[in-house]
Amino acid sequence: DAGVTQSPTHLIKTRGQHVTLRCSPISGHKSVSWYQQVLGQGPQFIFQYYEKEERGRGNFPDRFSARQFPNYSSELNVNALLLGDSALYLCASSIREASSGANVLTFGAGSRLTVL
Amino acid sequence: AQSVAQPEDQVNVAEGNPLTVKCTYSVSGNPYLFWYVQYPNRGLQFLLKYITGDNLVKGSYGFEAEFNKSQTSFHLKKPSALVSDSALYFCAVRDIGDDKIIFGKGTRLHILP
Repeated sequence: DAGVTQSPTHLIKTRGQHVTLRCSPISGHKSVSWYQQVLGQGPQFIFQYYEKEERGRGNFPDRFSARQFPNYSSELNVNALLLGDSALYLCASSIREASSGANVLTFGAGSRLTVL
Repeated sequence: AQSVAQPEDQVNVAEGNPLTVKCTYSVSGNPYLFWYVQYPNRGLQFLLKYITGDNLVKGSYGFEAEFNKSQTSFHLKKPSALVSDSALYFCAVRDIGDDKIIFGKGTRLHILP
């Protein structure tokens, strides 16, 4: 059974460019979350989507946007890239446990973005 | 708003000794608490969670965590450390009624042979 897959794994962009990162969740998982992990820090919450609707947004500028498709895959878009956007971008999918109501995130390996 | 604190940037433990990685949390209601581990150039892997019930939670790879409501803590523990446990550990919290999960800054665990 495939886990969460992200593409591309590595990419280099220059300031001002735009980037699109892609994520395919585990089969059956309807929720996708995006996190930014800057070197030496913990993952910072960017977005959560469930059934194609945005359920939560972190403290990120409007340059960051995302969407979820009918097959539950997701894209994260970042416009007008800044040097500070260099980070590991992590996608996680989840399904809510019926017994507890908790959702355990399963992470992909991430997309490492370098902005020059 | 919920938050989680990991007061130690790094923890060093000799192989075979018990280990503890500390975490405290702040939520408005009852928390869901999690521990994840990250190996170099990898995504985060789930270790264990506390939802309700017994305060001692057992997880993967021999790890366990103790929930203490009065101290708002959720420390990660293992009775006997292995060199392969060396990694970056993250505590995370979710407030009931809120879908997002918030992570701490991480604690780097070094197990010395």
